[in-house]
Amino acid sequence: DARVTQTPRHKVTEMGQEVTMRCQPILGHNTVFWYRQTMMQGLELLAYFRNRAPLDDSGMPKDRFSAEMPDATLATLKIQPSEPRDSAVYFCASGSDSTDTQYFGPGTRLTVL
Amino acid sequence: DAKTTQPPSMDCAEGRAANLPCNHSTISGNEYVYWYRQIHSQGPQYIIHGLKNNETNEMASLIITEDRKSSTLILPHATLRDTAVYYCIVRPGAHTGNQFYFGTGTSLTVIP
Repeated sequence: DARVTQTPRHKVTEMGQEVTMRCQPILGHNTVFWYRQTMMQGLELLAYFRNRAPLDDSGMPKDRFSAEMPDATLATLKIQPSEPRDSAVYFCASGSDSTDTQYFGPGTRLTVL
Repeated sequence: DAKTTQPPSMDCAEGRAANLPCNHSTISGNEYVYWYRQIHSQGPQYIIHGLKNNETNEMASLIITEDRKSSTLILPHATLRDTAVYYCIVRPGAHTGNQFYFGTGTSLTVIP
Protein backbone atom coordinates (compact mmCIF):
# COMPACT_ATOMS: atom_id res chain seq x y z
CA ASP A 1 0.00 0.00 0.00
CA ALA A 2 1.91 3.05 -1.28
CA ARG A 3 1.85 6.07 1.01
CA VAL A 4 3.34 9.51 1.31
CA THR A 5 5.75 9.65 4.22
CA GLN A 6 6.77 12.71 6.18
CA THR A 7 9.46 13.26 8.74
CA PRO A 8 9.59 14.29 11.46
CA ARG A 9 6.02 13.73 12.66
CA HIS A 10 6.49 16.23 15.48
CA LYS A 11 8.97 19.05 15.92
CA VAL A 12 9.35 21.48 18.79
CA THR A 13 11.90 24.21 18.34
CA GLU A 14 12.75 27.66 19.55
CA MET A 15 12.20 30.85 17.68
CA GLY A 16 15.04 31.62 15.30
CA GLN A 17 16.03 28.02 14.69
CA GLU A 18 16.06 26.40 11.27
CA VAL A 19 13.43 23.75 10.64
CA THR A 20 13.57 21.20 7.82
CA MET A 21 10.61 19.00 6.98
CA ARG A 22 10.93 16.11 4.56
CA CYS A 23 8.48 14.32 2.34
CA GLN A 24 8.79 11.15 0.31
CA PRO A 25 6.12 11.13 -2.40
CA ILE A 26 4.55 7.95 -3.67
CA LEU A 27 6.86 6.28 -6.15
CA GLY A 28 5.93 7.28 -9.68
CA HIS A 29 4.02 10.41 -8.72
CA ASN A 30 5.19 13.53 -10.53
CA THR A 31 3.47 16.28 -8.53
CA VAL A 32 4.19 17.28 -4.96
CA PHE A 33 2.30 19.79 -2.85
CA TRP A 34 3.03 21.43 0.49
CA TYR A 35 0.12 22.62 2.65
CA ARG A 36 -0.06 24.27 6.03
CA GLN A 37 -3.01 23.85 8.37
CA THR A 38 -3.92 26.04 11.34
CA MET A 39 -7.14 26.47 13.25
CA MET A 40 -7.47 30.03 12.06
CA GLN A 41 -6.60 29.64 8.37
CA GLY A 42 -7.52 26.06 7.62
CA LEU A 43 -5.60 24.27 4.86
CA GLU A 44 -3.42 26.62 2.81
CA LEU A 45 -1.39 25.67 -0.22
CA LEU A 46 2.21 26.79 0.18
CA ALA A 47 3.93 25.40 -2.91
CA TYR A 48 3.75 22.76 -5.54
CA PHE A 49 6.10 20.99 -7.89
CA ARG A 50 5.61 19.14 -11.11
CA ASN A 51 8.35 16.88 -12.39
CA ARG A 52 10.55 18.38 -9.64
CA ALA A 53 10.14 21.92 -10.99
CA PRO A 54 8.48 24.51 -8.76
CA LEU A 55 5.28 25.71 -10.41
CA ASP A 56 3.69 27.84 -7.76
CA ASP A 57 5.01 29.01 -4.43
CA SER A 58 2.90 32.13 -4.15
CA GLY A 59 1.40 30.91 -0.89
CA MET A 60 4.75 30.75 0.82
CA PRO A 61 6.44 33.56 2.77
CA LYS A 62 9.53 33.95 0.61
CA ASP A 63 11.76 35.61 3.16
CA ARG A 64 11.90 32.61 5.45
CA PHE A 65 10.43 29.61 3.65
CA SER A 66 12.01 27.58 0.89
CA ALA A 67 10.87 24.40 -0.85
CA GLU A 68 12.99 22.11 -2.98
CA MET A 69 12.99 18.71 -4.62
CA PRO A 70 16.58 17.45 -4.70
CA ASP A 71 15.37 14.32 -6.44
CA ALA A 72 12.14 12.60 -7.36
CA THR A 73 11.96 10.76 -4.05
CA LEU A 74 12.47 13.70 -1.71
CA ALA A 75 10.82 17.05 -1.19
CA THR A 76 11.92 19.45 1.54
CA LEU A 77 10.37 22.48 3.18
CA LYS A 78 12.67 24.71 5.20
CA ILE A 79 11.93 27.58 7.52
CA GLN A 80 14.81 29.83 8.52
CA PRO A 81 14.47 31.53 10.90
CA SER A 82 11.36 30.00 12.44
CA GLU A 83 8.81 32.14 14.30
CA PRO A 84 6.00 31.22 16.69
CA ARG A 85 3.40 32.07 14.03
CA ASP A 86 4.82 29.22 11.92
CA SER A 87 3.38 26.74 14.41
CA ALA A 88 1.03 24.53 12.40
CA VAL A 89 0.67 21.11 10.83
CA TYR A 90 2.48 20.88 7.52
CA PHE A 91 1.17 18.36 5.03
CA CYS A 92 2.81 17.02 1.93
CA ALA A 93 0.73 15.48 -0.85
CA SER A 94 1.69 13.78 -4.06
CA GLY A 95 -0.20 13.02 -7.22
CA SER A 96 0.20 12.15 -10.84
CA ASP A 97 -1.29 13.20 -14.12
CA SER A 98 -2.77 9.75 -14.53
CA THR A 99 -4.54 9.50 -11.17
CA ASP A 100 -5.58 13.15 -10.91
CA THR A 101 -6.01 12.92 -7.15
CA GLN A 102 -3.73 13.93 -4.33
CA TYR A 103 -2.58 11.61 -1.61
CA PHE A 104 -1.65 13.25 1.65
CA GLY A 105 0.98 12.31 4.14
CA PRO A 106 0.39 12.19 7.90
CA GLY A 107 1.78 15.69 8.43
CA THR A 108 4.50 17.28 10.55
CA ARG A 109 3.22 19.07 13.62
CA LEU A 110 5.53 22.04 14.21
CA THR A 111 5.62 24.03 17.41
CA VAL A 112 7.85 27.09 17.56
CA LEU A 113 8.32 28.42 21.08
CA ASP B 1 -10.50 30.73 -3.77
CA ALA B 2 -12.54 27.70 -2.75
CA LYS B 3 -15.55 28.43 -5.04
CA THR B 4 -17.79 26.18 -2.94
CA THR B 5 -20.26 26.66 -0.11
CA GLN B 6 -20.89 23.98 2.49
CA PRO B 7 -22.78 23.95 5.79
CA PRO B 8 -20.30 24.23 8.66
CA SER B 9 -21.61 21.21 10.53
CA MET B 10 -24.01 18.28 10.37
CA ASP B 11 -25.02 15.34 12.52
CA CYS B 12 -26.02 11.90 11.36
CA ALA B 13 -27.21 8.83 13.25
CA GLU B 14 -25.00 5.79 13.01
CA GLY B 15 -26.23 3.38 10.34
CA ARG B 16 -28.20 6.04 8.49
CA ALA B 17 -27.22 7.72 5.25
CA ALA B 18 -25.27 10.94 5.56
CA ASN B 19 -26.07 13.45 2.81
CA LEU B 20 -23.57 16.29 2.60
CA PRO B 21 -24.52 19.18 0.28
CA CYS B 22 -22.23 21.50 -1.64
CA ASN B 23 -23.05 24.55 -3.72
CA HIS B 24 -20.76 25.48 -6.60
CA SER B 25 -22.88 27.85 -8.65
CA THR B 26 -19.91 29.35 -10.55
CA ILE B 27 -18.48 26.03 -11.69
CA SER B 28 -17.00 26.07 -15.18
CA GLY B 29 -17.54 23.46 -17.85
CA ASN B 30 -14.11 21.90 -17.40
CA GLU B 31 -14.16 21.82 -13.61
CA TYR B 32 -14.61 18.62 -11.67
CA VAL B 33 -16.17 18.25 -8.25
CA TYR B 34 -13.91 16.52 -5.71
CA TRP B 35 -14.62 15.37 -2.19
CA TYR B 36 -11.98 14.83 0.47
CA ARG B 37 -12.32 14.22 4.17
CA GLN B 38 -10.04 14.80 7.11
CA ILE B 39 -10.30 12.72 10.21
CA HIS B 40 -8.91 14.43 13.27
CA SER B 41 -5.11 14.74 13.27
CA GLN B 42 -4.75 12.94 9.94
CA GLY B 43 -4.06 14.13 6.41
CA PRO B 44 -6.98 14.67 4.06
CA GLN B 45 -8.22 11.55 2.32
CA TYR B 46 -9.59 11.38 -1.20
CA ILE B 47 -13.19 10.12 -1.42
CA ILE B 48 -14.59 10.59 -4.90
CA HIS B 49 -14.80 12.97 -7.84
CA GLY B 50 -16.95 13.57 -10.90
CA LEU B 51 -17.65 15.89 -13.79
CA LYS B 52 -21.36 15.64 -14.53
CA ASN B 53 -22.46 12.04 -14.13
CA ASN B 54 -23.23 10.53 -10.78
CA GLU B 55 -20.37 8.47 -9.41
CA THR B 56 -20.15 5.65 -6.89
CA ASN B 57 -17.24 3.85 -5.30
CA GLU B 58 -16.68 1.72 -2.23
CA MET B 59 -16.70 4.77 0.03
CA ALA B 60 -19.51 6.97 -1.20
CA SER B 61 -21.79 8.20 -3.96
CA LEU B 62 -21.63 11.59 -5.62
CA ILE B 63 -24.80 13.10 -7.03
CA ILE B 64 -24.32 16.15 -9.27
CA THR B 65 -27.34 18.18 -10.35
CA GLU B 66 -28.04 18.51 -14.04
CA ASP B 67 -27.02 22.17 -14.08
CA ARG B 68 -23.88 21.21 -12.09
CA LYS B 69 -24.40 24.05 -9.64
CA SER B 70 -24.62 21.77 -6.65
CA SER B 71 -23.78 18.27 -5.56
CA THR B 72 -24.35 15.87 -2.69
CA LEU B 73 -21.97 13.38 -1.19
CA ILE B 74 -23.76 10.35 0.20
CA LEU B 75 -22.29 8.01 2.77
CA PRO B 76 -24.85 5.20 2.61
CA HIS B 77 -24.42 3.74 6.09
CA ALA B 78 -22.52 6.12 8.30
CA THR B 79 -20.29 4.72 11.03
CA LEU B 80 -18.58 6.43 13.92
CA ARG B 81 -15.35 6.33 11.93
CA ASP B 82 -16.93 8.60 9.33
CA THR B 83 -16.83 11.49 11.80
CA ALA B 84 -14.59 13.98 10.01
CA VAL B 85 -14.46 17.28 8.15
CA TYR B 86 -15.63 16.85 4.56
CA TYR B 87 -14.31 19.18 1.87
CA CYS B 88 -15.99 19.83 -1.45
CA ILE B 89 -13.58 21.24 -4.04
CA VAL B 90 -13.93 22.26 -7.65
CA ARG B 91 -10.93 22.41 -9.90
CA PRO B 92 -10.05 22.24 -13.58
CA GLY B 93 -10.18 18.89 -15.15
CA ALA B 94 -8.23 15.75 -15.20
CA HIS B 95 -4.51 15.45 -15.74
CA THR B 96 -3.69 19.09 -15.18
CA GLY B 97 -1.76 18.72 -11.95
CA ASN B 98 -3.53 21.80 -10.66
CA GLN B 99 -3.69 22.43 -6.98
CA PHE B 100 -6.68 21.91 -4.72
CA TYR B 101 -8.06 24.82 -2.74
CA PHE B 102 -9.69 23.59 0.44
CA GLY B 103 -12.44 25.67 1.98
CA THR B 104 -13.76 25.30 5.52
CA GLY B 105 -15.68 22.10 4.84
CA THR B 106 -18.52 20.44 6.74
CA SER B 107 -17.81 18.90 10.11
CA LEU B 108 -19.83 15.67 10.18
CA THR B 109 -20.51 14.03 13.52
CA VAL B 110 -21.90 10.52 13.47
CA ILE B 111 -23.91 9.92 16.61
CA PRO B 112 -24.23 6.44 18.17
